Amino acid sequence: GNSVTQMEGPVTLSEEAFLTINCTYTATGYPSLFWYVQYPGEGLQLLLKATKADDKGSNKGFEATYRKETTSFHLEKGSVQVSDSAVYFCALSDRGGATNKLIFGTGTLLAVQP
Amino acid sequence: NAGVTQTPKFQVLKTGQSMTLQCAQDMNHNSMYWYRQDPGMGLRLIYYSASEGTTDKGEVPNGYNVSRLNKREFSLRLESAAPSQTSVYFCASSDVGGPTDTQYFGPGTRLTVL
Repeated sequence: GNSVTQMEGPVTLSEEAFLTINCTYTATGYPSLFWYVQYPGEGLQLLLKATKADDKGSNKGFEATYRKETTSFHLEKGSVQVSDSAVYFCALSDRGGATNKLIFGTGTLLAVQP
Repeated sequence: NAGVTQTPKFQVLKTGQSMTLQCAQDMNHNSMYWYRQDPGMGLRLIYYSASEGTTDKGEVPNGYNVSRLNKREFSLRLESAAPSQTSVYFCASSDVGGPTDTQYFGPGTRLTVL
């Protein structure tokens, strides 16, 4: 079945460091890919998405490119801030049954230190 | 707009007790979902509802029942709670359940079963 694998955390960085969180997927067909972020004590919210190969999703300085040849959707940011500290989830849309469902990776905790 | 709301925020149950988690959305979305979040396992889909009047099992449905009361509301019921159901529960909704749809999440219910 379809699945998502993302790097284990926690990832600890100093403010203004470069961030990469790796995400790879296994899927039949051409799923949409998503990054969701969960701030402490809150629900998940969409960070960015890409719906077809070579698309780049971007938001709040974060970027991820849908790479079909490597089945990857790595999240990057050039300069992290303390306020980026959160758990980041990679996900793909899975068509099965009456609606599309999301399959999530296990999440990566990012801690940014001043 | 309140988005997706969930009640209660916190709940402690004893083994064997029952309870219902409530979820409502005010975005006129067709599809709604219930997930559980456990450490190291990401989010796993319990049940979903593609549209009013329909419900389907997700990845981990055992021990749960759901009701799609109307287009706005989707409740999750634990008939006889077990310690293994200690988790954080998230409700989500999306417009039509399409492959590019964003899912919008509620703030979660933290449930402890003793």
